Amino acid sequence: DTGVSQDPRHKITKRGQNVTFRCDPISEHNRLYWYRQTLGQGPEFLTYFQNEAQLEKSRLLSDRFSAERPKGSFSTLEIQRTEQGDSAMYLCASSLGGTYNEQFFGPGTRLTVL
Amino acid sequence: KQEVTQIPAALSVPEGENLVLNCSFTDSAIYNLQWFRQDPGKGLTSLLLIQSSQREQTSGRLNASLDKSSGRSTLYIAASQPGDSATYLCAVRPDRGQNFVFGPGTRLSVLP
Repeated sequence: DTGVSQDPRHKITKRGQNVTFRCDPISEHNRLYWYRQTLGQGPEFLTYFQNEAQLEKSRLLSDRFSAERPKGSFSTLEIQRTEQGDSAMYLCASSLGGTYNEQFFGPGTRLTVL
Repeated sequence: KQEVTQIPAALSVPEGENLVLNCSFTDSAIYNLQWFRQDPGKGLTSLLLIQSSQREQTSGRLNASLDKSSGRSTLYIAASQPGDSATYLCAVRPDRGQNFVFGPGTRLSVLP
């Protein structure tokens, strides 16, 4: 499968714990995006990488959230000291960049904070 | 601040009907607009991408139009099928930056 993959698909954690999600983009894509989606809403932009550089961060990305893309390939999103309000679907997307810049999404990681 | 709305929020039609989904955005300074479908509990599937300089794009039974100056896009689905049942989302990319903004989606049900 050459699409965007995310791991894990589901995560249940207790409030206050740290969690980390992984995203593997389409191999030739140099742009990578993280979004958060709550029930009944469209995805909300969190952050964007071009290669290994994190170029944009939303104000939604509080200091408890950190994202990395160390070698310009896969990316991780870590949430520290999780809160119940962090419960959502976390989506990753990648694109080739350039003029066309069509985004392709992964299946998402569903986080439930108890 | 860019805001994207979609009308209607939900739509139920009998199989075979042609239908139109609407997307509106408040800031016309966009680079492109992309339509997606999302099945329950799943990720997003790209349907069509329209550059800001384009008026429309077509793929099979789908046709998307863009009127950048009025801040509107429509997704036309011809001869709807039960397999088209999903939530349809539009997203705009600003002229500057990669902060894509999504609408809340239109939940479509096509009844057999």
